[in-house]
Amino acid sequence: RKEVEQDPGPFNVPEGATVAFNCTYSNSASQSFFWYRQDCRKEPKLLMSVYSSGNEDGRFTAQLNRASQYISLLIRDSKLSDSATYLCAVTIYGNKLVFGAGTILRVKS
Amino acid sequence: DGGITQSPKYLFRKEGQNVTLSCEQNLNHDAMYWYRQDPGQGLRLIYYSQIVNDFQKGDIAEGYSVSREKKESFPLTVTSAQKNPTAFYLCASIRDSSSTEAFFGQGTRLTVV
Repeated sequence: RKEVEQDPGPFNVPEGATVAFNCTYSNSASQSFFWYRQDCRKEPKLLMSVYSSGNEDGRFTAQLNRASQYISLLIRDSKLSDSATYLCAVTIYGNKLVFGAGTILRVKS
Repeated sequence: DGGITQSPKYLFRKEGQNVTLSCEQNLNHDAMYWYRQDPGQGLRLIYYSQIVNDFQKGDIAEGYSVSREKKESFPLTVTSAQKNPTAFYLCASIRDSSSTEAFFGQGTRLTVV
């Protein structure tokens, strides 16, 4: 079983739509949780960290459910510029940083 | 400017040759990582190092080797034992165990012909 799993998509949505991604992790000892954004043929960049209390940054909301071992990312009012691959990541045993396969988002006008 | 630098950006090698990918950071980060990315498979962890002179295998370490002789450098050698080395290789660093953000280099695209 993979340590971090995501639905690869693609998610094709119109501008202005709300879209949600989930990510599950298998190791209950996972300590920290993140969402990264990766544009085509570029390196990933941190979108936001995910905290147990949930956190919001503008149109983006991330939540963590430790009991069910999943994290989620909600994007409201999608923009064309949101089109990218969204990677969830977790740290295990301190500094082992593991990524999911990524979810492709395509926002269309 | 501080950052993490991978070189070269594109690399071509003949099958059966070893090749070393460079990763240098001037961020004074403790931990460094190597990932491999193939289409549709996300980032898979090859090796990581939390401190100088120490490193751990990731999920796909076979056919790869690393060294961490200096804090700022974490080179990756792709050996001839790696059956399918053509891929996009990404290096990353984290300040320490309390840090939340990994910084990535721009990656090296390795093509073995």
